[in-house]
Amino acid sequence: EDKVVQSPLSLVVHEGDTVTLNCSYEVTNFRSLLWYKQEKKAPTFLFMLTSSGIEKKSGRLSSILDKKELFSILNITATQTGDSAIYLCAVDISGGGADGLTFGKGTHLIIQP
Amino acid sequence: KAGVTQTPRYLIKTRGQQVTLSCSPISGHRSVSWYQQTPGQGLQFLFEYFSETQRNKGNFPGRFSGRQFSNSRSEMNVSTLELGDSALYLCASNPLRDRGPYEQYFGPGTRLTVT
Repeated sequence: EDKVVQSPLSLVVHEGDTVTLNCSYEVTNFRSLLWYKQEKKAPTFLFMLTSSGIEKKSGRLSSILDKKELFSILNITATQTGDSAIYLCAVDISGGGADGLTFGKGTHLIIQP
Repeated sequence: KAGVTQTPRYLIKTRGQQVTLSCSPISGHRSVSWYQQTPGQGLQFLFEYFSETQRNKGNFPGRFSGRQFSNSRSEMNVSTLELGDSALYLCASNPLRDRGPYEQYFGPGTRLTVT
């Protein structure tokens, strides 16, 4: 059975801190790993990773994939209260979405002022 | 470009009733997937449609069904509602022009409450 495990499940830090969120996976046929941010309703897309060792970066957020060790990390530097959200990691095994994404339970990140 | 839209945004139904939810993908996107999100189980894949065909279905009972129209809009239906069907139902679309992989973009969801 395909499995995605995120850690920690919840995290409380102060504004300005740097956080690292973890995602490990065991799937039958890896095509890509995706990170989403969910605040109120719709998960919003952050990154899609397909190749090992290539960092994706967007502002204060960055992510990297290790296909040998089957994990990914999402880093957020200089955190702000607006970063408070649930961060979801998902793996795509079909490439075109036919098999759906397999999601982890998410990391609930709370940034205190 | 408009995002994924879902209607209605909120629904309250009673046990035994049926419900139909609608999803319009991003213009040009041909693949639509549906997910159920609950506090206990997280986000779980329901089914995926491409070119009006269901290509795959997650581990859900036959009470959950769906369809896709020629304009890529999709509907999902839940019959004989149970209390456990209370959840946020999310629709996602992706362009699927060739082999991919592609990121999926989510709509705002429909919050279904079954009483």
